[in-house]
Amino acid sequence: GNSVTQMEGPVTLSEEAFLTINCTYTATGYPSLFWYVQYPGEGLQLLLKATKADDKGSNKGFEATYRKETTSFHLEKGSVQVSDSAVYFCALSEETSYDKVIFGPGTSLSVIP
Amino acid sequence: DAGVTQSPTHLIKTRGQQVTLRCSPKSGHDTVSWYQQALGQGPQFIFQYYEEEERQRGNFPDRFSGHQFPNYSSELNVNALLLGDSALYLCASSLMYEQFFGPGTRLTVL
Repeated sequence: GNSVTQMEGPVTLSEEAFLTINCTYTATGYPSLFWYVQYPGEGLQLLLKATKADDKGSNKGFEATYRKETTSFHLEKGSVQVSDSAVYFCALSEETSYDKVIFGPGTSLSVIP
Repeated sequence: DAGVTQSPTHLIKTRGQQVTLRCSPKSGHDTVSWYQQALGQGPQFIFQYYEEEERQRGNFPDRFSGHQFPNYSSELNVNALLLGDSALYLCASSLMYEQFFGPGTRLTVL
């Protein structure tokens, strides 16, 4: 079945460091890809999305490019802040399954001053 | 716009009991999905309601059931609770393809 794999955490970075969180997926057809963020004590928020190959999603300095040839959607940010500390989930929505979302296990990020 | 709201925020039950969780979707949204998020894991899709019918379902037993009302709000019912049902239950609403998540209900089964 369709699935999402992402790098295990926790990840600890110093403020202003470069962030990469790897994500790969298995899916038939052309899924939409997402990154969700869950801040401590809060619900899930959509961070960015891409709906077709080579699309780049971006928001709040975060970017991810839909790479169909490598089935990847890696999350990057050039300079992280303490406020970016959260759990990040890579996810996909199957092409023919309406809005059902399949999530990866999540990667916890801690940014220290 | 109030966004997606869920009630209650926290709930403690004992094994064998039944529980009902509630969700009010974002204004104008007609589709409601429910997810279970165990501690330290990603959310798992339970089922989705559209036009008061269950449109699709994940790999959850029949102990998990739901309902959608004419105003699009929804309930998740879990019967015969097990310790393993302890989790954060998330509701998400959507109109076209983007889902908006509520803050969740934390269920603890003792």
